[in-house]
Amino acid sequence: QVQLQESGPGLVRPSETLSLTCNVSDDSITRYYWSWIRQPPGKGLEWIGYIYYSGNTNSNPSLKSRVTISVDTSKNQFSLKLSSVTAADTGVYFCVRDVPTPGYFGRPGRWFDPWGPGILVTVSS
Amino acid sequence: QSALTQPASVSGSPGQSITISCTGSSSDVGGYDYVSWYQQHPGKAPKLMIYDVTNRPSGVSNRFSGSKSANTASLTISGLRAEDEAVYYCSSYTSSITHVVFGGGTKLTVL
Repeated sequence: QVQLQESGPGLVRPSETLSLTCNVSDDSITRYYWSWIRQPPGKGLEWIGYIYYSGNTNSNPSLKSRVTISVDTSKNQFSLKLSSVTAADTGVYFCVRDVPTPGYFGRPGRWFDPWGPGILVTVSS
Repeated sequence: QSALTQPASVSGSPGQSITISCTGSSSDVGGYDYVSWYQQHPGKAPKLMIYDVTNRPSGVSNRFSGSKSANTASLTISGLRAEDEAVYYCSSYTSSITHVVFGGGTKLTVL
């Protein structure tokens, strides 16, 4: 059964870059889309962006200029970089398997499963 | 402000049934049968409970069911148990550039 695990620093200074990696085990990263979703303390879920093994990627327009998502198929990992962070970027970051709509030209966002346990990232000096 | 509208809270007594609504538009909930529901307990990651409007993943209790009418999807939990107390989020595929939208979450309290 596929498992996901986030890793990275739990504390990031304001204006610096948040960097997280998601390790995918027991499934090939080439079979699905993979997304990052975050949750500010006490608030709801916000989709950050997705990547396909081919490198095709997209991100939330509200974050797009600061988001970089990449994939390393040799390590079965994908990563998130969020630049110029502020306190508003504090929250739990989840990596998820993003199941696409059916068909050859399937698009991501159909459902998310499984989720990594999440990693709390605090932006503070 | 979330793209999908959910009630902030619902409550019910053990054994009762409750329904959580999730209202969107023709660009998301109403336009596609790709609504999913997630259960989140405090300090835990969300867990998929329903996908494609009505389908339950393996291992999810049949007390959980989903439906949709026009632009509103619903999650019904029957035979409420204490362990069902959690926050529930809906999500839908959307034709917009973000490809997915979430509801703001509904806190279920089992009285």
